[in-house]
Order: sequence, then C-alpha cells, then structure tokens
Amino acid sequence: DAKTTQPPSMDCAEGRAANLPCNHSTISGNEYVYWYRQIHSQGPQYIIHGLKNNETNEMASLIITEDRKSSTLILPHATLRDTAVYYCIVRPRPGPRNYGQNFVFGPGTRLSVLP
Amino acid sequence: NAGVTQTPKFRVLKTGQSMTLLCAQDMNHEYMYWYRQDPGMGLRLIHYSVGEGTTAKGEVPDGYNVSRLKKQNFLLGLESAAPSQTSVYFCASNRDVSNQPQHFGDGTRLSIL
Repeated sequence: DAKTTQPPSMDCAEGRAANLPCNHSTISGNEYVYWYRQIHSQGPQYIIHGLKNNETNEMASLIITEDRKSSTLILPHATLRDTAVYYCIVRPRPGPRNYGQNFVFGPGTRLSVLP
Repeated sequence: NAGVTQTPKFRVLKTGQSMTLLCAQDMNHEYMYWYRQDPGMGLRLIHYSVGEGTTAKGEVPDGYNVSRLKKQNFLLGLESAAPSQTSVYFCASNRDVSNQPQHFGDGTRLSIL
C-alpha cells in the first residue's frame, strides 16, 4: 500500500492561499489521492480527491504532479475556520482482503491560519 | 440531511462495564466502518462491514464486537471495558469500494475509569 508523507505543521496568513504538500512516491497507477481535514476533534471532513488530473471544488483545489509522486492541496483564501489537521490519504487497491481498509489516516499536517 | 449520526456523544464507564455505540446513516451506503482515534494519532480501523449481515476485522479489533443487522445501522460493542479503550470513536460510511470517499460522524468520546 502506498504511504504518504506530510509536514507535521504549517502556518498560513488569513486571506492567503494555503498550500499543503503531500509525498506519495510509491503510489500505484490506479490509486486515488484523497484529502480530509479534522477540525478540533470533530469527525474527519472530506475535502477532495483525484487520480491524475487536477481537481477543483467549492472547498479546494488538488494539484497532482505528472508522475503522481506528490500532490498539493490548495485552499485559495484561507480563513481562521480552516485551522485544522489535514490528512493526505492514498487509497489502496480494493480487494477481497481489504475492502474495509480503504482509508489509512496518518498524523497529517496541522495547519494554523493566523490573523 | 443527517448523514452519519453517532450516539452517544460522550460516555464514562467503569472498568469491566459493557456498552454499545450506535452509528446510523441515512445515505443508503453499503459500507460502514468503526475507527478509534487516540491523542496525537491518526484514525485506526477497528471493524468494518460491506453490507447488511456482514462484518470483518480491521487493524485493532481486539476487545470489540460489531453487528450490522440493518443496512443503516452499525453497532460497536465493548463487552468488558478497559482503560486502554479510552478514546474517541468515529463511524464512517461510503457507497462502495470504488473511488467514493467515506463520510464520518462527529464521534463518541469514551472514557474508561
């Protein structure tokens, strides 16, 4: 299963773009990259996911490098309410032994949005 | 639009007591999951279910049992609570095993004294 590496913490000024990197150098061809966040011990909140093309939704943009070994989550105009732990997850290939083990949450990146 | 609802939100137990955590989803999802999260750590999968009447073990299943008698409900049981089971428990669900994301509840905070 592909593993991810994220910086433990980052700061961002309110109103600026927050760029959160993730390394997943062992990702396989059909594995998706997912981003979740967790705000102050609430349940993880789904943000976005993608395979190889860049994706954008109302919350964020996901930029995946051409070789798929890394990605960046972009919050275009960070607010104080975006302060949270952000998780980058590579979803392993589903099969008879791991249907349930789809999402492995590591320690993530603690993003602090500063006023 | 409730999504995934967990009850109770908080509970304090004594060592050796038993209890059941309830997870309910209204999205007609096939797959449901129970995770635990300990301070400063990511989520770890306890048990999961791929459909009504089916359950399977995750990464840390010992000391827990689960049941999925109805598609919309997934129950997590602690038969004899231990202090090591003090944690925040999250339930999640998703439609299938393709690329669909999991949707999480807001958690149950459980303390075992």
